[in-house]
Formats: sequence, structure tokens, C-alpha cells
Amino acid sequence: QVQLQESGPGLVRPSQTLSLTCTVSGGSISSGGYYWSWIRQHPGKGLEWIGSIYYSGSSYYNPSLKSRVTISLDTSKNQFSLKLSSVTAADTAVYYCARGHRFVTGTATSHWFDPWGQGTLVTVSS
Amino acid sequence: QSVLTQPPSASGTPGQRVTISCSGSSSNIGSNYVYWYQQLPGTAPKLLIFRNNQRPSGVPDRFSGSKSDTSASLAISGLRPEDEADYYCAAWDDSLSGFVVFGGGTKLTVL
Repeated sequence: QVQLQESGPGLVRPSQTLSLTCTVSGGSISSGGYYWSWIRQHPGKGLEWIGSIYYSGSSYYNPSLKSRVTISLDTSKNQFSLKLSSVTAADTAVYYCARGHRFVTGTATSHWFDPWGQGTLVTVSS
Repeated sequence: QSVLTQPPSASGTPGQRVTISCSGSSSNIGSNYVYWYQQLPGTAPKLLIFRNNQRPSGVPDRFSGSKSDTSASLAISGLRPEDEADYYCAAWDDSLSGFVVFGGGTKLTVL
């Protein structure tokens, strides 16, 4: 079965760029049909979707973060990455990568996540 | 402030039935499917209910979902101690260019 694992620095300085990688095992990210996604959870808070990217490169981002976010694929390594620029303490969170599913029928749209990686805590501090 | 509104907490005793509500609007729950995730302490969220009321394989039939207009509910019957977790609802929101919205989460305590 597909498994995902996040990796990257646990500490980022304010105003710098947060960079995380998600390594996928048990399946190819270029096989199609899935949206490779990032979701974050502020300490003790709820979930916030960051964005998702399809194997073809088409992507969807949370409007509140869109100006600072880039999600990209590296099919040669079966990985996808998140870059979040100009970070502040408000970006301190556990960051999860997940396999996203998208389904549109009539006027109804679905976008859900299964499975998820274990998450990695990123702290923004000087 | 989350786009979808959930009660911050819920509780029940073993064997009881509890429900968790999720309130949205016409641009999200009112026009799209609802999903529920379970997050056990110290772990990543796990998909619990998809497309309003469908259970992924492996999820016990004690868990059920429903949707009406701009609200949704998760019901857990025959409550067990291992059900103690945070539960999140989610949906696609058609506003702006479209995005995923989550509820703020409900912490379920099994007394």
C-alpha cells in the first residue's frame, strides 16, 4: 500500500522559505489519478489545506496562502515538495503530506485525502 | 476561524451513541460532498467517512455520516474507549477558485 513520509528542516528563520519533501513508496506519483497534497495543523488547532498538485502539473492552492506557496513534483525520485516563502511564526505547524483524490460529478466536487504521512513539525523562530 | 463549524467537544460513555455536527454554507456542504477524518492522539488524521456517508474498508459500521442542506453529522454508536479522538469534517468550497475547507475539529471524550 502507498506510504508517505515528510522530511525537511524542523527550524526555519522568519522571512526565509520553508521547504519540505514528501517521499512516496508503494506507488508511483506519475501513474495518474491522484492529487499530491499538503495540509498543516497549527499547534493544538485544526487542519488547514495548503494545496494539491496533479501528476500533469495542474495545481490547486488555498487562496489564503497562494501567493507564498509552490508545490512541485520530482517523478524521478517519486517525491513531491512544498515551498512556503516569507514565513512568520504563524507558519509554525505540523505539516502533513497526503495522497489526494478528486472527483467531480454534475455540480458536486470532492477532494479528499487518504492516506496521510505521519507529519513533521516545523517551527519558525529566530 | 474555520469555514465549517463544529462543536469543540463531545462526550459519551461506553456503549452510548454520540453525534458530532458540522455546519457550513451553500458554497461548501450545500453543494458538495462531506468527508470526516479521525485523528487519534499523537497520530495523523485518517479518512473515516467519504462522500457524505460512505465508509472506507476497515472502518466499523458503528461510524455513520449524513448530510442535510448545509449541515452534516457524524454518528458513533456503541461508543468504545478507543474512539476517543479528534474528529474533523471537510468539504470542497466553490467560492473564489475553489478550495478545501475543514471544520475546527471536535474532541470526543469517552467517559
